[in-house]
Formats: sequence, C-alpha cells, structure tokens
Amino acid sequence: DVQLTQSPSTLSASVGDRVTITCRASQSISNWLAWYQQKPGKAPKLLIYKASILESGVPSRFSGSASGTEFTLTISSLQPDDFATYYCHKYQGTFGPGTKVEIK
Amino acid sequence: EVQVVESGGGLVKPGESLRLSCAASGFTVSDAWMSWVRQAAGKGLECIGLIKRKTDGGTTEYAAPVKGRFTISRDDSKNTLFLQMNSLNSDDTAMYYCVTDHGIRPYWGQGALVTVSS
Repeated sequence: DVQLTQSPSTLSASVGDRVTITCRASQSISNWLAWYQQKPGKAPKLLIYKASILESGVPSRFSGSASGTEFTLTISSLQPDDFATYYCHKYQGTFGPGTKVEIK
Repeated sequence: EVQVVESGGGLVKPGESLRLSCAASGFTVSDAWMSWVRQAAGKGLECIGLIKRKTDGGTTEYAAPVKGRFTISRDDSKNTLFLQMNSLNSDDTAMYYCVTDHGIRPYWGQGALVTVSS
C-alpha cells in the first residue's frame, strides 16, 4: 500500500509569509494526488487536484507541484483565512497525516 | 453536475449494525472508483475502503480496522453505493464521506455522522 508522509506536522507562520508543505509518497502515484484544507468542524475543502490543477474558486496564491514522488503545496502569501490543517490524499487511497498551519 | 449524497447515519449501540448509502448523480457508479473516508473528532482523514469500477474488476479493498466488519457494495439500478457496517464499536464513531473521482477531479459528499454509544 502507498504511504504518504507530510512535513512539517505543524507550521507557525505570519500573514504574508510564503508557506510550503511537502507530501512524499512511498511509491509512484503518477500525480494522482489532491490537497485539502480543513478547518475545525468543517468538511475538507479541495484546493488542488491531479497534483497541480487549482480547483475552481480557490485563490491563486495556492499552487501545487510534483517531482517524482514528492509533492508540494505552496501558499505564496499567507492570509488570515488560510490558518487551517492541510492534507494530501492519494486518489481512492491513503491520506497524509496533516499539516497544521498556525499563527506565529 | 457530479454529486454524491450520503444518508443513513445515526446513533447505534456497540455491536449493532448500520448501512450508509451514497446516492450518485451526474455519473454512473459502476464506471467509477469510489471510496468511503471517515474522520473521528479531532483526528485525521482515513480511507476505510474502496470499490473499483466494473471495467477494473469491481473488487473491493478495506483498511485493517474495518476488514471483516464493513462491506462496500453498489446497486447499479439505483446508481447508489453502500457501506454496510457490522459489529460497530466506539472507535467507529466518525463522520463518513463518500468520495469518487470523475475524470480527474475528486468529489465528496457532505458526510454522514455515525455515533456508536451505549
């Protein structure tokens, strides 16, 4: 089974910071990876799918990239609404453990 | 428009059974890989099982915590996915989501809350 690891597990940042979250797959998943944002008590919100496609309506400060089995979610300029937990997800399979983005 | 809607959640006692449904629209369930994802309060997301599309064999796979207790099936005539949950225990208390990919984009339902408590 494919395993996903995420780093860091927690990230403290300030508004305006550039933030990068990494997700590594234990084997090739051919870019079948999505990124979700989740806030307490809410359902996960799709941000990026197929590794780099921005979901409609999601601000362009969010971007995704892939290099082999390493995937990256970047927030170019962190906004107050972005403080949340972020998960990577291999389609129809496992999730990463999550990265909590906190206010510094 | 692709849409999946879960139903059937509720409060059950330990050892009891419950069946969740996921009604699909905008696509044919037999043509899609579909999975069930759950999230307990304060915990991460967990894929507990999937069913492959018919052309890929239509087989099912389950995560270790639910294997032998949960069964995923579908009714093509109703275009609906099911999750039969038996021998429920407190660890199964969670929000359960139906998830599919249509083309290359994932689609999620709104979730169904399952609470296992005496």
